Amino acid sequence: ILNVEQSPQSLHVQEGDSTNFTCSFPSSNFYALHWYRWETAKSPEALFVMTLNGDEKKKGRISATLNTKEGYSYLYIKGSQPEDSATYLCAFVADSGGSNYKLTFGKGTLLTVNP
Amino acid sequence: DAGVTQSPTHLIKTRGQQVTLRCSPKSGHDTVSWYQQALGQGPQFIFQYYEEEERQRGNFPDRFSGHQFPNYSSELNVNALLLGDSALYLCASSSTTGLYEQYFGPGTRLTVT
Repeated sequence: ILNVEQSPQSLHVQEGDSTNFTCSFPSSNFYALHWYRWETAKSPEALFVMTLNGDEKKKGRISATLNTKEGYSYLYIKGSQPEDSATYLCAFVADSGGSNYKLTFGKGTLLTVNP
Repeated sequence: DAGVTQSPTHLIKTRGQQVTLRCSPKSGHDTVSWYQQALGQGPQFIFQYYEEEERQRGNFPDRFSGHQFPNYSSELNVNALLLGDSALYLCASSSTTGLYEQYFGPGTRLTVT
C-alpha cells in the first residue's frame, strides 16, 4: 500500500503571508507527482505535474519543488490572497512499467487565508 | 469545451439499493478513472476504463462496477449500498497520449441512509 502524507492538515494565514506545505511519498518507484488546488463544490484544478528529481515549477505566486530521492515535494504560495483559500492535494504516481497511470492521493492541506 | 462533467450532482439512496453515476470525459480524452473521497480522506482510486474495458482496479469490492461506452463516457455502478459508501465520487479523464493531464469533474455526492 502506497503512503502519501501531507502536512499540515490545515493552515490559517493572513493575507500577504507566504506559506508552504509538504507532500511525502515513497522514494522508490517514482514516476510523477501531481499537485491540485480544490475549492469547495468545484473540480480539482491541476497546478503542476512534476517528473524529474530537482524539478521546480512556478505558476504566478505558486511554486513547487520535488525531491524524489528523499520522497518529498513542497508547495509554496507567496503573498497569500483570500482567493488562494482551498484544499491543496498532492498525488503520487508509481512507475508501473506500462501505461497504467493511477493517482494515489494524500489527504490534502486545507488553506484558509484571512483578509 | 465543457471539461469533465458528472451527473447527478447529489444523490440520496437507502441501504441495499443500487446507484449509477455518470461521467463524460473532456473532449479528446479516451480514458476515465473513478475515485471515491470519503469524509476526511484523500480520493481513493476505484478503477480505470480504456477502450471500454476495465484496465486496472483499486481495492474496492465487486459491488463496485463500471462501464465505458463507445463515446468514452463512463458509468460507475454500486450495488447493495452500505452506509460506508457515502462519499464524493470523482471522475477523471485523460488521454493515452497525454497521461500527465488528468482532468477531474466536480464529483457526485452520494449519501446512503
